[in-house]
Amino acid sequence: DAGVTQSPTHLIKTRGQQVTLRCSPKSGHDTVSWYQQALGQGPQFIFQYYEEEERQRGNFPDRFSGHQYPNYSSELNVNALLLGDSALYLCASSDTGGADTDTQYFGPGTRLTVL
Amino acid sequence: QQQVKQSPQSLIVQKGGISIINCAYENTAFDYFPWYQQFPGKGPALLIAIRPDVSEKKEGRFTISFNKSAKQFSLHIMDSQPGDSATYFCAASRPGGATNKLIFGTGTLLAVQP
Repeated sequence: DAGVTQSPTHLIKTRGQQVTLRCSPKSGHDTVSWYQQALGQGPQFIFQYYEEEERQRGNFPDRFSGHQYPNYSSELNVNALLLGDSALYLCASSDTGGADTDTQYFGPGTRLTVL
Repeated sequence: QQQVKQSPQSLIVQKGGISIINCAYENTAFDYFPWYQQFPGKGPALLIAIRPDVSEKKEGRFTISFNKSAKQFSLHIMDSQPGDSATYFCAASRPGGATNKLIFGTGTLLAVQP
């Protein structure tokens, strides 16, 4: 049973560029949440996708956008990159229609460095 | 009201000892409290979770103690091992699929000395 997978593992961009990160949820999960984890801090919620729609959003600017596909995989897009966007970006999946809707399983993350 | 406060920031424990990490919250709407373990360069891994209807939950060497009236919960790691050395995060969320974003504490860096 595959867990949550993310790609790429590492990414280096320059300021002003755009980036797309990808996530495949755990088998059987239909909900994907994205978190940003700065060095030495706890993960911060960016947004959550369910049924291909953004269901809830954290305190992040609209430079951060996402998408969910019919197979439940998801993308996180960040436009006009800033140095402060350098972080570990984590994807977590959960099963909204299941018995344990609150449990979220995290992927290994994508380390984004903005120069 | 959305914060989860975690302490200590770092902790050093001898092998075989008990590691204790504490968290406090303010939002009484929270009803799910997980603990995650994170190794450097890896994603957080779910360790154990509790809901407010129980005061304690144990899984192997890991125990969560929950005090609803004080709005506090803690993780106890019994017989701590060097392999337990990692960063631990507490978190909380509200019920329901549309509101269950996780609010994380600031993390505790645990070092277990052999």
